[in-house]
Amino acid sequence: DAGVTQSPTHLIKTRGQQVTLRCSPKSGHDTVSWYQQALGQGPQFIFQYYEEEERQRGNFPDRFSGHQFPNYSSELNVNALLLGDSALYLCASSWRQGNSYNSPLHFGNGTRLTVT
Amino acid sequence: SQQGEEDPQALSIQEGENATMNCSYKTSINNLQWYRQNSGRGLVHLILIRSNEREKHSGRLRVTLDTSKKSSSLLITASRAADTASYFCATDPEKLVFGKGTKLTVNP
Repeated sequence: DAGVTQSPTHLIKTRGQQVTLRCSPKSGHDTVSWYQQALGQGPQFIFQYYEEEERQRGNFPDRFSGHQFPNYSSELNVNALLLGDSALYLCASSWRQGNSYNSPLHFGNGTRLTVT
Repeated sequence: SQQGEEDPQALSIQEGENATMNCSYKTSINNLQWYRQNSGRGLVHLILIRSNEREKHSGRLRVTLDTSKKSSSLLITASRAADTASYFCATDPEKLVFGKGTKLTVNP
């Protein structure tokens, strides 16, 4: 049973470029959340997708957008990259259980994005 | 918003000793979860404690929750070098919000 998979594992981009990160959730999970983790910091919530819609959003600019597909996989897009966007981007999946939020998150190993 | 805050920021102990780390939060919660992160990897869920529970055990882990003080503690007993990692608490009923973590180093 595959866990959460993310691709690519590493990525180097130039300021101003656009990037797309991909995530496949754990089998049986229907909700995908994205986090940004700067070096030495805790993960910061970007947004959460359920039923192909953005359900919750953290304090991130509109340059950060996402999508969830019918097979529950998800993409994170970041436009007009800034140096400060360099971070580990983590995808986590869970089972929504209706409106209950007690389902633990299962994380992928992340995509390390470096913006030069 | 930074809901959970871990304390201390860093902890260094010898193998076999116990490690205690604390988490404080600001608003009411449905549950509180603890996660571990090995360097450069994804987070791994350790334990979830619901707001109506006061204590929970899982193997060498013991978690307590004091909702009146808005705080939780994670105790790792008989620590091992493999426990070296960063530990995060996470709260918020709608989207898990993580603190900055406690970096635990267990020296062999």
